[in-house]
Amino acid sequence: ETGVTQTPRHLVMGMTNKKSLKCEQHLGHNAMYWYKQSAKKPLELMFVYSLEERVENNSVPSRFSPECPNSSHLFLHLHTLQPEDSALYLCASSQDGKNSGANVLTFGAGSRLTVL
Amino acid sequence: GQNIDQPTEMTATEGAIVQINCTYQTSGFNGLFWYQQHAGEAPTFLSYNVLDGLEEKGRFSSFLSRSKGYSYLLLKELQMKDSASYLCAVLDSNYQLIWGAGTKLIIKP
Repeated sequence: ETGVTQTPRHLVMGMTNKKSLKCEQHLGHNAMYWYKQSAKKPLELMFVYSLEERVENNSVPSRFSPECPNSSHLFLHLHTLQPEDSALYLCASSQDGKNSGANVLTFGAGSRLTVL
Repeated sequence: GQNIDQPTEMTATEGAIVQINCTYQTSGFNGLFWYQQHAGEAPTFLSYNVLDGLEEKGRFSSFLSRSKGYSYLLLKELQMKDSASYLCAVLDSNYQLIWGAGTKLIIKP
């Protein structure tokens, strides 16, 4: 356990389903992130929240909707996904949202999503 | 465009030494990270280099040459548990993290 917990670990959904991924951290960090990890591709940053405000949204399709109700919890709501959205979705947290060398990311183990 | 290159896969023998290279072309440089990711697990932080030279942490060392846009991760006395993917990431001039696709390291007995 790294201190960042993601649920569910595995999810299979149809293209018309609505589901949510959950991330929780109790490290006292103020920033939380969603990344997409596809096989043999670099990590893709999707969203960044700092002190519960969204500070980055990297042109992610609207079928992905993030929610950060407090500094310890982060959700990714999924709706009408496509098969190409199948990937490992990683949540991470850091001390703050400033991108600096001191801002080491602590990742969760990820949610493996399969869209049929 | 910005690019991080690292080998897709490497194989090494238990007890040996392996060097995983990472070359980068980015708009500016504010440091380079190495993370380790075991299959099905979270990536975990290994090292951060911002100045040229070698930094050693036990069996793992990380080297940086900013003039060459080059880094390597050196793993000594390899153990089976070192089988994992190793991710290289660079902080560019806007402090955005640019990631490589990772190097899968296979350790054989």
